Amino acid sequence: QVQLQESGPGLVKPSQTLSLTCSVSGGSISSGGHYWSWIRQHPGKGLEWIGYIYYTGTTYYNPSLKSRLTISIDTSKNQFSLKLRSVTAADTAVYYCARAPFEAMVQGLVVAYFNSWGQGSLVTVSS
Amino acid sequence: EVVLTQSPGTLSLSPGERATLSCRASQSVTSNYLAWYRQKPGQGPRLLIYGASSRATGIPDRFSGSGSGTDFTLTISRLEPEDFAVYYCQQYGSSPLTFGGGTKVEIK
Repeated sequence: QVQLQESGPGLVKPSQTLSLTCSVSGGSISSGGHYWSWIRQHPGKGLEWIGYIYYTGTTYYNPSLKSRLTISIDTSKNQFSLKLRSVTAADTAVYYCARAPFEAMVQGLVVAYFNSWGQGSLVTVSS
Repeated sequence: EVVLTQSPGTLSLSPGERATLSCRASQSVTSNYLAWYRQKPGQGPRLLIYGASSRATGIPDRFSGSGSGTDFTLTISRLEPEDFAVYYCQQYGSSPLTFGGGTKVEIK
């Protein structure tokens, strides 16, 4: 059974870059058929999709975050990563990594739900 | 963007009772690409239902999903202690993927 684990700094200063890594165990990230995803949850609130990446490096981003966002993948380490630039207090959230099985393409978008999740990593943006 | 509105915000029930949760979309969800998740405190969400009505691997049959277009329902036939949690719906038929605000099922 695949397991995902987020890691990275818990505190980031405003205007800096938030960086997180997701380590995947119990399965190969490059075996295909799945997209590797980031989702966040603001304190006491709902969930927000950030984006996902295929093992080939193809990415799909939430348009609201696209200008500040980079998701990358390292198949040799079985990891994928998130970088969010120019953060503000509004980026304070629990960040989850998740696996999404490929379902279909709809108007150029890979459509997917999330069938495995990490435990989450709280990132606070504060000086 | 497809906005998902979940109701009620909180549902107070006893173990063994039936729970009915609603998820309404601001526009029709493409191909009924709608999923349901359960989230317990301090944990990541767990997939329960995808494609509006298909149970995920390992999910007991007390969970069922129904609906189409803009109106979807998650039904838990008999609440077990582990079912007292927050439930989210998610649409994955259009960009950006979006989630509802959640329904908390609490012990009465």
